[in-house]
Amino acid sequence: GAGVSQSPRYKVAKRGQDVALRCDPISGHVSLFWYQQALGQGPEFLTYFQNEAQLDKSGLPSDRFFAERPEGSVSTLKIQRTQQEDSAVYLCASSLGPQRLAFAYEQYFGPGTRLTVT
Amino acid sequence: KQEVTQIPAALSVPEGENLVLNCSFTDSAIYNLQWFRQDPGKGLTSLLLIQSSQREQTSGRLNASLDKSSGRSTLYIAASQPGDSATYLCAVRLGSGGSNYKLTFGKGTLLTVNP
Repeated sequence: GAGVSQSPRYKVAKRGQDVALRCDPISGHVSLFWYQQALGQGPEFLTYFQNEAQLDKSGLPSDRFFAERPEGSVSTLKIQRTQQEDSAVYLCASSLGPQRLAFAYEQYFGPGTRLTVT
Repeated sequence: KQEVTQIPAALSVPEGENLVLNCSFTDSAIYNLQWFRQDPGKGLTSLLLIQSSQREQTSGRLNASLDKSSGRSTLYIAASQPGDSATYLCAVRLGSGGSNYKLTFGKGTLLTVNP
């Protein structure tokens, strides 16, 4: 079946612009994650959804970052008033079940959106 | 706070050579450890996942080992090929605490296999 898809694949924004990044998880996957990967670094956790509920947003770097998943499927990561330090690859991942300790489901990653802020 | 370190940061080898990539983590209370491959401009492809109760996992020419008590994992690639050229990332998942769903990644090892 189809994997996780993300759009756009590349986005160039001028500093101060707002951007919206979309993630289409694997159909039926309950959990959805956003990660940020700066150049030369490993991905870092941003936020976690279980269905439509945002259970953890502790990794969002500032209040300019906002994520939603209103119907429990597609998710959007929005960045307001972009800054140069926001330039990174934004990765979305989904997994089949809720992330309970007793049974951990593997996370499947999308290709990412490369955001460049000029 | 869990920290994951990967050594070396970059590695260049001739085709056919066997090689080892290293990963270490500071908090040994992990649930599992996963090795990923990342090609330029692409997402992460999961290679091997080792549960905390396991010592190793094998898939084709790849073998990953886990020593949880010492906080170390290795990824062994046999008979390397140019198509193995990519960045290899190690990620751990904590086994306790409310945020055990998070993956903590290392910075990766950039592997180049020369024909």
